[in-house]
Amino acid sequence: QKEVEQDPGPLSVPEGAIVSLNCTYSNSAFQYFMWYRQYSRKGPELLMYTYSSGNKEDGRFTAQVDKSSKYISLFIRDSQPSDSATYLCAMSALPGTYKYIFGTGTRLKVLA
Amino acid sequence: DTEVTQTPKHLVMGMTNKKSLKCEQHMGHRAMYWYKQKAKKPPELMFVYSYEKLSINESVPSRFSPECPNSSLLNLHLHALQPEDSALYLCASSQGLAGGREQFFGPGTRLTVL
Repeated sequence: QKEVEQDPGPLSVPEGAIVSLNCTYSNSAFQYFMWYRQYSRKGPELLMYTYSSGNKEDGRFTAQVDKSSKYISLFIRDSQPSDSATYLCAMSALPGTYKYIFGTGTRLKVLA
Repeated sequence: DTEVTQTPKHLVMGMTNKKSLKCEQHMGHRAMYWYKQKAKKPPELMFVYSYEKLSINESVPSRFSPECPNSSLLNLHLHALQPEDSALYLCASSQGLAGGREQFFGPGTRLTVL
């Protein structure tokens, strides 16, 4: 079993839809959770960073962490064609490890 | 400013060439990383520098040689590469006081080895 599982997609949605992207993980020591957006042939862009459990909102993006279920989500409201990209989750355990475990990424296509 | 810069953007080299990739950040971050990313795959960690000292080497072949001249700069020296080393090479940085903090990536260098 991989430490972090993420559905590769592609996920196709109409413009304006609410998008839900998810990752599950097996290591209960993970405490730091990140979501990145990566456009084709570009570097990953940090969208959301959360520590431990709970919700965090930033504009159209909401990140949720459920440590009891070992499950994290990224919601995108009012999705736009410009949101079409690959979304990577990443997580890290205790401070000082400097190792981030990435999901395989979900390809999202928002259709105009 | 959360910018990590990388040069060059593209690099084509032969298997006998020696070249270097450069990375720079001015966020005061004390941890810097090199990742390799193949198409449709997540980034794969190569090296981590913490406070200018190499702290993680993920069993990377010696044809890749990292260097951290100061807290803002990170280099990756390339020599005698193989065609399978063609990939997007990403630099990243994070605060060094504690791992697990936000990690910011540069735009990457797209390397092609002929």
